[in-house]
Amino acid sequence: QTVVTQEPSLTVSPGGTVTLTCASSTGAVTSDFYPNWFQQKPGQAPRTLIYSTSNKHSWTPARFSGSLLGGKAALTLSGVQPEDEADYYCLLYYGGWVFGGGTKLTVL
Amino acid sequence: EVQLVESGGDLVKAGGSLRLSCAASGFTFSNAWMSWVRQAPGKGLEWVGRIKSKTDGETIEYAAPVKGRFTISRDDSKNTLYLQMNSLKTEDTAVYYCLGATSGAFDMWGQGTKVTVSS
Repeated sequence: QTVVTQEPSLTVSPGGTVTLTCASSTGAVTSDFYPNWFQQKPGQAPRTLIYSTSNKHSWTPARFSGSLLGGKAALTLSGVQPEDEADYYCLLYYGGWVFGGGTKLTVL
Repeated sequence: EVQLVESGGDLVKAGGSLRLSCAASGFTFSNAWMSWVRQAPGKGLEWVGRIKSKTDGETIEYAAPVKGRFTISRDDSKNTLYLQMNSLKTEDTAVYYCLGATSGAFDMWGQGTKVTVSS
């Protein structure tokens, strides 16, 4: 069974920078896994931030960026805002899709 | 306005069946690859399955926990995605979301419909 691992929780100060990672139990994450990143706030449906490693949608704030870092997919938030407090999920492709367990980001 | 609206969620007994629908509007549904994603109470997101567009062969993939019990289909004439759920288990209790992908990117989510499976 493939497992996708994310940090369960992270805390960042307003204006700071934080990187969330997404690791695969099968080995290094590459662009062939088409990493996606989603944001979910309490009581809301998720929304897509990043697709295919680093591509942004028109609604994705510029402070969000996706990359590959040390064999993992990564989501970096630069200049964090209070409204960025949310759960973040990555999604990787293995022939079917598998979500990571999610990272609860606290802005404090 | 791009919109996905799920319906059909309900309370059902274990072993029962339910069909969810996802009505699409504001985009060319027939070209989209559509997925179902679920979220159990207080838990993370779980991919359920995906159906490609007709032009891409309408290929369907399922996650292991639902394979053989759930069936995804689409009716492009009605701009609607379906999820037929049979042999339901208590662990299928979740909010079910439909998720659309156009031009290779996941981009639109519905608001979800709640399914509760009682023992």
